[in-house]
Amino acid sequence: NAGVTQTPKFQVLKTGQSMTLQCAQDMNHNSMYWYRQDPGMGLRLIYYSASEGTTDKGEVPNGYNVSRLNKREFSLRLESAAPSQTSVYFCASRPHGVRDTEAFFGQGTRLTVV
Amino acid sequence: EDQVTQSPEALRLQEGESSSLNCSYTVSGLRGLFWYRQDPGKGPEFLFTLYSAGEEKEKERLKATLTKKESFLHITAPKPEDSATYLCAGRLYTGTASKLTFGTGTRLQVTL
Repeated sequence: NAGVTQTPKFQVLKTGQSMTLQCAQDMNHNSMYWYRQDPGMGLRLIYYSASEGTTDKGEVPNGYNVSRLNKREFSLRLESAAPSQTSVYFCASRPHGVRDTEAFFGQGTRLTVV
Repeated sequence: EDQVTQSPEALRLQEGESSSLNCSYTVSGLRGLFWYRQDPGKGPEFLFTLYSAGEEKEKERLKATLTKKESFLHITAPKPEDSATYLCAGRLYTGTASKLTFGTGTRLQVTL
């Protein structure tokens, strides 16, 4: 059981380049999330998707777009990367409507924009 | 503004030296206070959920407690393998989805 899988694990981009971070979960969860983690800032929510076909902005959505391709997959796109987007990105998923169920996180994508 | 604040930022303990980590929150409509453990280079791993003031949960050397304004993670007789960053998060519901607001974490180092 793989859980939440993120690809790639590491990436270096030049300023202005675009890329898509992929996330897939095999737990049949409804809700999926993208966070970024920066030193001293904690985990901050970029976008989330409560169910297939819906997406909403989180705390820091500027410069990002997302696609909930199907129930399993939730991708994060950087159209024109900036050095301020250097961070570690985490995808998470959670079943909807279950009170005590936590969010499961992937292993992260470490992105450097030069 | 919803906010979760953790203290201390870093904590160094000797093996067997018990201590507590603090998480204070101002999350309106809080629906759960979560504790996660994060090892270097890995994603957060779930430890506990607390919902009501007075609630306590335990797992091995860890015990989490909740009051109306803060939560504590008590570590009893820690071992080097307990070294990690401990994150707390408050969950609130917005329409059909729930969101977690995280603190910045406490980096715990346990030495022999």
